[in-house]
Amino acid sequence: DAGVTQSPTHLIKTRGQQVTLRCSPISGHKSVSWYQQVLGQGPQFIFQYYEKEERGRGNFPDRFSARQFPNYSSELNVNALLLGDSALYLCASSFPPSDARTNYGYTFGSGTRLTVV
Amino acid sequence: AQTVTQSQPEMSVQEAETVTLSCTYDTSESDYYLFWYKQPPSRQMILVIRQEAYKQQNATENRFSVNFQKAAKSFSLKISDSQLGDAAMYFCAYRTAGNQFYFGTGTSLTVIP
Repeated sequence: DAGVTQSPTHLIKTRGQQVTLRCSPISGHKSVSWYQQVLGQGPQFIFQYYEKEERGRGNFPDRFSARQFPNYSSELNVNALLLGDSALYLCASSFPPSDARTNYGYTFGSGTRLTVV
Repeated sequence: AQTVTQSQPEMSVQEAETVTLSCTYDTSESDYYLFWYKQPPSRQMILVIRQEAYKQQNATENRFSVNFQKAAKSFSLKISDSQLGDAAMYFCAYRTAGNQFYFGTGTSLTVIP
């Protein structure tokens, strides 16, 4: 089975531009989450989507947006790019969001490395 | 809000020896999961081990084990018989009831041949 697929793997953009990152979850997974990992830091939660609805949002500005499609794939959009947006963007997929006592599989992709110049 | 703290930015261990990575967290929830993830240069986050907060028994996965102290909010990872392939960044993570993860800043582990 294919894992979580993210595209592109690397991307260079100029300040002020817009970028779209894509994520295809593991087959059967209906929830997708996005994380930003700045160099030297741990991943930070951006968004969670389940059944095309936003289920959670981290502390990120409105320049960041996302959506989930009927096939459960997802896009993360970032507008008006800043130098500080340079990071590895990780996507993770899982079965439905769960309560703390269940543990549906949660698998990360290899990320998209975004460089803003 | 949940916070996860890893106080060891870098650790090193001799091959075949044992090393312990530290992690503390803060939460007001009673039910949650804790995780250790490994991130090699390939960038993919790989699950090493997980611990259910409602279980008192410490989790073990082959050479990897945890010391979970719920009252102290401490969750350390012990790697026994360290191998060269264990070299990576290790992240401690807390999972909320809504399946959102909070990560520490990571510990870079070097394995010395």
